[in-house]
Amino acid sequence: AQSVTQPDIHITVSEGASLELRCNYSYGATPYLFWYVQSPGQGLQLLLKYFSGDTLVQGIKGFEAEFKRSQSSFNLRKPSVHWSDAAEYFCAVHGSSNTGKLIFGQGTTLQVKP
Amino acid sequence: SQTIHQWPATLVQPVGSPLSLECTVEGTSNPNLYWYRQAAGRGLQLLFYSVGIGQISSEVPQNLSASRPQDRQFILSSKKLLLSDSGFYLCAWRLADRENSPLHFGNGTRLTVT
Repeated sequence: AQSVTQPDIHITVSEGASLELRCNYSYGATPYLFWYVQSPGQGLQLLLKYFSGDTLVQGIKGFEAEFKRSQSSFNLRKPSVHWSDAAEYFCAVHGSSNTGKLIFGQGTTLQVKP
Repeated sequence: SQTIHQWPATLVQPVGSPLSLECTVEGTSNPNLYWYRQAAGRGLQLLFYSVGIGQISSEVPQNLSASRPQDRQFILSSKKLLLSDSGFYLCAWRLADRENSPLHFGNGTRLTVT
């Protein structure tokens, strides 16, 4: 069965520091992978997505993610974190291309220190 | 462009009372529609999805039901709420005819059952 694991429940970084959020997936075929961000009390906003091709994908707000098939990973990165990046981040994998339903990881809460 | 509306934004209901949460999508036809629930400190759990009018698939047996009376309308209901129904409910849509289409989320409804 498909699954997504985000090993870090909570991460704290200083403003201006680099960031990497980990995501590991389990999926039998070539996965469709996504990263979403959620501010408190809000819905989820799509940051970026991977379907095929270039394994390094660029997203909004200066985020990027790298797909590594050999490691079953899709880690999210940002070179320099801003205080406004504090939020919860979710990695997700397509559970079924027919129904489009997504399977989400448990999320990583990012705190940014001034 | 497409937009998704969810209401109400917040709701406080006593145990045993009925529930109706509504979600509508504008700017597209025949979308796939989804209801997710996010309990405090936990990830997102898919409750229901629909690939067409009147077609509802349930992912988790529970006290809730869903209906799709119109193409772009998705309703989450309960006849008698339980304390465990408290949470943050998110509606989402995606393009049905595009295999790699991501989910787009509404702003959510915070439900507190007292």
